[in-house]
Order: sequence, then structure tokens, then C-alpha cells
Amino acid sequence: QVQLVQSGAEVKKPGASVKVSCKASGYTFTSYGISWVRQAPGQGLEWMGWISAYNGNTNYAQKLQGRVTMTTDTSTSTAYMELRSLRSDDTAVYYCARDQVRPANFDYWGQGTLVTVSS
Amino acid sequence: EIVMTQSPATLSVSPGERATLSCRASQSVSSNLAWYQQKPGQAPRLLIYGASTRATGIPARFSGSGSGTEFTLTISSLQSEDFAVYYCQQYNNWPPAVTFGQGTKVEIK
Repeated sequence: QVQLVQSGAEVKKPGASVKVSCKASGYTFTSYGISWVRQAPGQGLEWMGWISAYNGNTNYAQKLQGRVTMTTDTSTSTAYMELRSLRSDDTAVYYCARDQVRPANFDYWGQGTLVTVSS
Repeated sequence: EIVMTQSPATLSVSPGERATLSCRASQSVSSNLAWYQQKPGQAPRLLIYGASTRATGIPARFSGSGSGTEFTLTISSLQSEDFAVYYCQQYNNWPPAVTFGQGTKVEIK
């Protein structure tokens, strides 16, 4: 069965960086993409960007350009999302989700990783 | 950026009744529209993609319709497990990008 398992909760200070991992299993990793979506406390869903697990091509949300980097390691079927220069409004649950060969819709989701940014 | 607007913000419905949720796009997204259900403390769950195709394992009481800028999610007879927040999402932009609506909370009346 398809599973996406994310790394654990993080607490970071403003200005720091965080890197969240998402290990995929149960499907051919390189046949799909991975999107990252975040959700601030009590708020809606915000798409952060997409990466092709086939060739590493990326599309990032304009709002996060320059602060976010998405990568994959096909040898371990793991996707990574790094967010730099953290601010308090980056506090959110971060989800990875299986996507298509271009940003589309998300049929399987990770369990979420809470990132708290606080001084 | 394409803005997705959902209405109403909250929908109060009795179990067994029909629920109709709306989603409007600021410009045409063709049929590149998905719906998700999210319960507290859980990740979202894909219900509908391509505006009207049910995802794997989704009960037939969930149906989607619309194209262009106006879309509807209908839950024909609400079950207790259907009380949740529902989000629409478009994926029609080029360069590729995704935007979500702000969500509709379906609560017990």
C-alpha cells in the first residue's frame, strides 16, 4: 500500500532553517511527483511547490521563491523540503503528498510534520 | 494567481440531508479542479479530481460537477463521518501552480 512517512516535529528559532523528509513506499517513486502543502494553526491549506521524482524538476509557489528548496533521493525514495530564514508565520504543519507528473492533485498524503518557529 | 472562493464558510446540515458546497475560480480552470475532505488532526483526503471523478474508495454519495469557473461538491445524504472541512483546489495554471479555496466547514445542525 502507498505510504508517505514524514520526519518528526521541529522547533526552530527565527532565521534558522528546517529540512523535512518524506519517505515513500508502495509505489514506483520515480513515476510521480511530490508536492508540499502547509497549514498554519487554524488556517487553510497552502501549496508550497512540487518536485518531479523522475528528473528533479521543480515548481515553487511564488511567495516562497528563494526560501524553499525541494529535492529527492531516488535511492531511498525520499523527498525533502528545506525552508530557510524562518519566521514566526512559518509555524505550520507541513505535509508531503503524492502528485502527478506535473502539479495536479494529491492522492496520498504524509502524516504531517509540525514546525514551530519561536524565539 | 488564480483565486478560489468557497461558499458558504460554514454549512449546518442534519444527518441524512443533502449538502451542496460551492467553489468559484477567478478565471477559468477548465476541469482541473479537485475536492478534499479534512478532519481535525488528520491530513486531507482526496475526494474528487477532474471536477467530477471520484478518487479510489470514495463513496458514491460524493459527487462533483462544474467546469470553467463554477464548481459544486454534493454530498447526497450526510453521514456522521462526513462532518469535516472541505477544500477545493485548482491545478490549471501555467507555469504550473496550485491554489486552494479557504474551505467550507460542514457541521451538524
